[in-house]
Amino acid sequence: QKEVEQDPGPLSVPEGAIVSLNCTYSNSAFQYFMWYRQYSRKGPELLMYTYSSGNKEDGRFTAQVDKSSKYISLFIRDSQPSDSATYLCAMSESQGAQKLVFGQGTRLTINP
Amino acid sequence: NAGVTQTPKFQVLKTGQSMTLQCAQDMNHNSMYWYRQDPGMGLRLIYYSASEGTTDKGEVPNGYNVSRLNKREFSLRLESAAPSQTSVYFCASSGLTNTGELFFGEGSRLTVL
Repeated sequence: QKEVEQDPGPLSVPEGAIVSLNCTYSNSAFQYFMWYRQYSRKGPELLMYTYSSGNKEDGRFTAQVDKSSKYISLFIRDSQPSDSATYLCAMSESQGAQKLVFGQGTRLTINP
Repeated sequence: NAGVTQTPKFQVLKTGQSMTLQCAQDMNHNSMYWYRQDPGMGLRLIYYSASEGTTDKGEVPNGYNVSRLNKREFSLRLESAAPSQTSVYFCASSGLTNTGELFFGEGSRLTVL
């Protein structure tokens, strides 16, 4: 069983829809949670960063962490075609990237 | 404003051939990383270098070697390529921030026949 599980999709939704992307994990020591966005044939870029449990909002994006359920989510409101990308969750026990564990990534397409 | 630059972008090798992937960053970051990305497997760490002069194994180091040439450059070498090493390879760097954000290159697509 992988330490971090993410539904690979693909997920296809119409423009303007609310999108929910999720990851589950098994390591209760994870404290730092991230979402990276990867456009086709590009490297991933950090989208959201959250420490411990709770919500974080940045524009149309909201990251949620539920440590009791070992479950994290990324919500995208008013989705746009430019949001079409692969979204990877990542998490670690400590600060720094050396021990970062990535999910498999979910490929998302927003249809105009 | 180049960020992380990887070369080559594409490469086809025959089984048993060797090659080196080059990576350079211009952000004055201390730490550098090599990942591979395969369908259904996500990003997996091959090797990393926390600072100039140090290197450490990641999750999947077998079949690879690395060299941290200086603070800017971190190379990945395949001594005897195997079809299982067909993948997209990403170099990344990170600086001293709270988030430990990784900055990635655009990737090198390697096919081993």
